Amino acid sequence: IQLTQSPSLLSASVGDRVTLSCKGSQNINNYLAWYQQKLGEAPKLLIYNTNSLQTGIPSRFSGSGSGTDYTLTISSLQPEDVATYFCYQYNNGLTFGSGTKLEIK
Amino acid sequence: EVQLVESGGGLVQPGRSLKLSCAASGFTFSNYGMAWVRQAPTKGLEWVATISYDGSSTYYRDSVKGRFTISRDNAKSTLYLQMDSLRSEDTATYYCARRQRYWYFDFWGPGTMVTVSS
Repeated sequence: IQLTQSPSLLSASVGDRVTLSCKGSQNINNYLAWYQQKLGEAPKLLIYNTNSLQTGIPSRFSGSGSGTDYTLTISSLQPEDVATYFCYQYNNGLTFGSGTKLEIK
Repeated sequence: EVQLVESGGGLVQPGRSLKLSCAASGFTFSNYGMAWVRQAPTKGLEWVATISYDGSSTYYRDSVKGRFTISRDNAKSTLYLQMDSLRSEDTATYYCARRQRYWYFDFWGPGTMVTVSS
């Protein structure tokens, strides 16, 4: 399964509601996770199984979707959210999206 | 606190071998599947290999099959990746990750850099 993330670069202001998209080439059956990777660091799990929040992750992060289309939403963007975000599917094979780089405007 | 620490990376010539290690602590290592994921410079993430909790099952991406071997020593809480016949396209930061039941990865190490170049 190929994953296409959009946009590749997103610039938003502190406090904005931000939506990142991930689209699969086939049905992912909700086996989708989201990772946050800050510069020079390892990826951090944010969301698994489409909408389950990983322990310790702020509630401003949420996930949704079904079938081939999935979304990561940040309800109120904070400066510490500057990072690249990757989606990852584990329904058929194991593949990552190419990432969305999120910056503060 | 879950900790994963990779080691063994470095500069190696094409065609040579390298063995990576990942020391785990803060959880019962023998209860979890483990994996290696890599990231080429300025590129995205790529799953490399996975091993079951007891080492009885292993899985590889096609491009490393027959060249890489994932293994584990549960008595030492350590994961390994033996990399043979290395190619320039294997150049990447290699991350060790803990695998959950549904095959997502919940904890990652800081990574170790492997550079394949003459």
